[in-house]
Amino acid sequence: GQNIDQPTEMTATEGAIVQINCTYQTSGFNGLFWYQQHAGEAPTFLSYNVLDGLEEKGRFSSFLSRSKGYSYLLLKELQMKDSASYLCAPMDSNYQLIWGAGTKLIIKP
Amino acid sequence: IAGITQAPTSQILAAGRRMTLRCTQDMRHNAMYWYRQDLGLGLRLIHYSNTAGTTGKGEVPDGYSVSRANTDDFPLTLASAVPSQTSVYFCASSKQGAGADTQYFGPGTRLTVL
Repeated sequence: GQNIDQPTEMTATEGAIVQINCTYQTSGFNGLFWYQQHAGEAPTFLSYNVLDGLEEKGRFSSFLSRSKGYSYLLLKELQMKDSASYLCAPMDSNYQLIWGAGTKLIIKP
Repeated sequence: IAGITQAPTSQILAAGRRMTLRCTQDMRHNAMYWYRQDLGLGLRLIHYSNTAGTTGKGEVPDGYSVSRANTDDFPLTLASAVPSQTSVYFCASSKQGAGADTQYFGPGTRLTVL
């Protein structure tokens, strides 16, 4: 079956670095998306990885290892506005996104 | 408008009633999707449409129907609402359905069925 595993909740300090891990099992693979979702709002696109390695985009970076079924989202220089849920979503062979339940990130001053 | 709009923002509905959630996009995207999001669960795909005139079933289609008469609109209908359909409903769109394209989401509809 298809399965996504990511931590339910994480806490970090403003200005620090946090890594949110995601492991997945899908029927086929067409890349992996990360979305950010603030409470009561819609998910918004952060990153897409289809090849192994690290993609850097400002304070956010995303890593993919296809052989290990593993990805992580790295957030640097954390700001209070980064408090949100982060959703890991690999795309299967039918181009359907398989969504994890998300990791709620709490930033403390 | 730019992007995706959904209506209503929220709704309280009596069980057994019929309800249509509306979704409109102005990005000329070919593909559109309906998801529901429940606490502690990932987004679950209800129905999708890769292009105007075609629709497909997602992971949880029972109790829901959709139509795609044109590119811009993708309404979701609950023929006879039940309490288990209480959820937040998100509409999304992407340039293509059969491709690794980014999905963009509407603001959501919060539906409560009593």
